[in-house]
Amino acid sequence: ETGVTQTPRHLVMGMTNKKSLKCEQHLGHNAMYWYKQSAKKPLELMFVYNFKEQTENNSVPSRFSPECPNSSHLFLHLHTLQPEDSALYLCASSQEQADPYEQYFGPGTRLTVT
Amino acid sequence: RKEVEQDPGPFNVPEGATVAFNCTYSNSASQSFFWYRQDCRKEPKLLMSVYSSGNEDGRFTAQLNRASQYISLLIRDSKLSDSATYLCVVSLGGYKLIFGSGTRLLVRP
Repeated sequence: ETGVTQTPRHLVMGMTNKKSLKCEQHLGHNAMYWYKQSAKKPLELMFVYNFKEQTENNSVPSRFSPECPNSSHLFLHLHTLQPEDSALYLCASSQEQADPYEQYFGPGTRLTVT
Repeated sequence: RKEVEQDPGPFNVPEGATVAFNCTYSNSASQSFFWYRQDCRKEPKLLMSVYSSGNEDGRFTAQLNRASQYISLLIRDSKLSDSATYLCVVSLGGYKLIFGSGTRLLVRP
């Protein structure tokens, strides 16, 4: 059973809509991540937050806007998306300095942009 | 050149077979190596870390060859439940993981 939850699990939105994805981790970790997984492509890291501070923005378009109000919650705000943004969006968390290092993933939000 | 390259498969093997997957990585400064497993329409989960001396966990054996920048995963006595996509993952250190596209394994009865 995952310690990382994501809502919604499925989302269909039009290109003019605004929506938000939510992630919550119950593992006491201090780092959280957003990944994008498109069909037949590797996971792409989008954003990293460490102790609520954004430490990585992997050249993600501004139509994706992350928010990390505390170390347990992470949001991804979406607006004016394009059809090519349709993908599985995965949230993950990890404990810095852990050995072995492991990222724990949530079940993902499957996003379809029409 | 992709940072982490894997044969996409699928590898279609009978139950009980031994199967091996390979992975190559491009950055010689890579420090940590992992195999993750992803079931269909599910999230990735850590299968095992890969250590320089090689390591084994039950039916699974992982090997690392730094000179050739090559990682392998061997699965012995395949089970139906081993059917999944196996992701090769590399880290340059810290929190950033670089994922391969995955190798799909189908184990048939």
